Amino acid sequence: GAGVSQSPRYKVAKRGQDVALRCDPISGHVSLFWYQQALGQGPEFLTYFQNEAQLDKSGLPSDRFFAERPEGSVSTLKIQRTQQEDSAVYLCASSGAGGPKEQYFGPGTRLTVT
Amino acid sequence: KQEVTQIPAALSVPEGENLVLNCSFTDSAIYNLQWFRQDPGKGLTSLLLIQSSQREQTSGRLNASLDKSSGRSTLYIAASQPGDSATYLCAVDPHQAGTALIFGKGTTLSVSS
Repeated sequence: GAGVSQSPRYKVAKRGQDVALRCDPISGHVSLFWYQQALGQGPEFLTYFQNEAQLDKSGLPSDRFFAERPEGSVSTLKIQRTQQEDSAVYLCASSGAGGPKEQYFGPGTRLTVT
Repeated sequence: KQEVTQIPAALSVPEGENLVLNCSFTDSAIYNLQWFRQDPGKGLTSLLLIQSSQREQTSGRLNASLDKSSGRSTLYIAASQPGDSATYLCAVDPHQAGTALIFGKGTTLSVSS
């Protein structure tokens, strides 16, 4: 595909359920980022991969959040035992290896925890 | 710690006006700065990227400037149209390797016809 895709676009989970959010980056992009965007706020960094290596996970809010990119392409963000404060839009972005490293964003997954 | 601030938080203008959105950042040691547009319920669309060595970038009716020493960037929109209505986000990349962007909270623009 031409851009970053994410699925599902919308997810409603009951408190305590586990969820998995998927990101398909632009083909060939080595860097992949996950951000969390609360209502009315700018996106905030969660974690960063370069190929399959998770180089920075300092933004993950708790040990309930886990991300992986096992083959260096598709990535999954997993949230265990969801809480209401996890409700947000989760954005994925990718960037190429060279140049100014412009980040390209997917449409996001809106997670609502009830 | 790098902080990004955008002023104003919201702006309403009539169609045809030229306008300026402001972005300030506390640490001038940045790699690049990006301006994004976000429509309601949608992801981010990159508008312009200014590298740290550049002073401005232009795309159509948009012009973004960067003054690293003062920690400021502006996004100038000429001849605004109702289709420009959206939230505009400014983000800085603080690292040489191109890592996590630090975003402002955005300016929500409404252009009336």
